[in-house]
Amino acid sequence: QVTLKESGPGILQPSHTLSLTCSFSGFSLSTYGMGVSWIRQPSGKGLEWLASIWWNGNTYNNPSLKSRLTVSKDTSNNQAFLKVTSVDTADTATYYCAHTPTYYPFAYWGQGTLVTVSS
Amino acid sequence: DVVMTQTPVSLSVSLGNQASISCRSSQSLLHSDGNTYLSWYLQKPGQSPQLLIYLASNRFSGVSNRFSGSGSGTDFTLKISRVEPEDLGVYYCFQHTHLPLTFGSGTKLEIK
Repeated sequence: QVTLKESGPGILQPSHTLSLTCSFSGFSLSTYGMGVSWIRQPSGKGLEWLASIWWNGNTYNNPSLKSRLTVSKDTSNNQAFLKVTSVDTADTATYYCAHTPTYYPFAYWGQGTLVTVSS
Repeated sequence: DVVMTQTPVSLSVSLGNQASISCRSSQSLLHSDGNTYLSWYLQKPGQSPQLLIYLASNRFSGVSNRFSGSGSGTDFTLKISRVEPEDLGVYYCFQHTHLPLTFGSGTKLEIK
């Protein structure tokens, strides 16, 4: 059974760095073809893909966030991480991590973690 | 970026009837490896999205056979036959052929 859970600060100030952790079970990020992705959703709005990290260490980021995104993983502890630098109010959203096998992306999702950027 | 255009924006369907949602991409989603990387998701109220269809026409494990996906190139359709109350929510198409990966803006399905 695949499960994922996001954790984060809840609230942070503008210009700070957002750090999120995705803890998962039921699969391994060392398995060929496996990945974890990050997606966010502002309240009442649509979904935006942010980044993905793959079993081989390859990462892909959404260029709309310029160079503010860093995604990484700890395979031994079944965790993936997302950092977003220089946050502002536009980064306020629910952030999801999702199990991303090559052919059926976002097969399973975490419950999401709400991040509010406010001074 | 590949723009995914979903129509309609909202849809009101009577229980037992069929619903159809269109998704058009600004570029062909046929990958050089021969696959078409188009998926459909349903986000029920207050929940995380869930995968319904992948590779344009393959139902994900456990998804009702009332859901079917079709299409190729730039034109795709999700059909929901015999709509049930638990089908309400927002449906999103998504492409992962081209970077950056992009979602459609969503179609809200309401039950009449």
